[in-house]
Amino acid sequence: DAGITQSPRYKITETGRQVTLMCHQTWSHSYMFWYRQDLGHGLRLIYYSAAADITDKGEVPDGYVVSRSKTENFPLTLESATRSQTSVYFCASSEQTSGGNNEQFFGPGTRLTVL
Amino acid sequence: AQKVTQAQTEISVVEKEDVTLDCVYETRDTTYYLFWYKQPPSGELVFLIRRNSFDEQNEISGRYSWNFQKSTSSFNFTITASQVVDSAVYFCALSESGGGADGLTFGKGTHLIIQP
Repeated sequence: DAGITQSPRYKITETGRQVTLMCHQTWSHSYMFWYRQDLGHGLRLIYYSAAADITDKGEVPDGYVVSRSKTENFPLTLESATRSQTSVYFCASSEQTSGGNNEQFFGPGTRLTVL
Repeated sequence: AQKVTQAQTEISVVEKEDVTLDCVYETRDTTYYLFWYKQPPSGELVFLIRRNSFDEQNEISGRYSWNFQKSTSSFNFTITASQVVDSAVYFCALSESGGGADGLTFGKGTHLIIQP
C-alpha cells in the first residue's frame, strides 16, 4: 500500500530494554522525521533526516538513535528504554519543492509503554 | 528560537456555532511556513493548510477559514457552523527553514469539543 506506515502500532516493553520503531514510506520523499506526542507538550521533534545517510537531532534526541540507510526507511531505536519514553511516536515524511516547505505526511503512530 | 503558542487548551461549543482557534508564533526568520493539522479521536494527524510568510491572504475552504496576520504574528483558524465531526485536537505548527529539513515546531494543541 502506498503511504507511510509504522510498526509496531503498539508496544509494551520494560525499562532498560532496546526497542526499535519502524517507519516506511512509499513516496520516495527526501525528508523524514520522528516526533513524540505527550500530553501537555504537543508534538516534539526527536530526529530528522534530509536524505539517506543524513540525519540530525531535533528538540528531544537524548536516549534515541536513528539511521537511514535507505530513502524509504527511517527506524528509531531506544537504546535503553526509560519510563519517560512512554509516549506516542509519529513518523512523518515530506518533499522539498521550489515552492518551499511542503506539508509533512504522518504515519498512524506507535503507542509505546515502558514499564 | 521558534515558538508556537495555542493558548486555548480546550474549547467546547454547541453544534452550528462558529469557533476560532488562536495561534501565535515567534520566529526570527523572514521566511517561514505555518501549518494547521487536525487530530481526530482516532489519532492520526491530518494536514489542513500551509501558508508561507509572504502570503498574507486569508484562505477559505468550505466551512474552514484562516486569518494570517504578520503584524500580530497570528495564524488563527475559524470553523463556521461547526459540526460534531469537527471535534478533534487542532495543532498549529511553524517551520523556519527554507529546505524543509528542520521539522515542525508544534503548539500544544487545542482540544475542540462540538456538542450536539
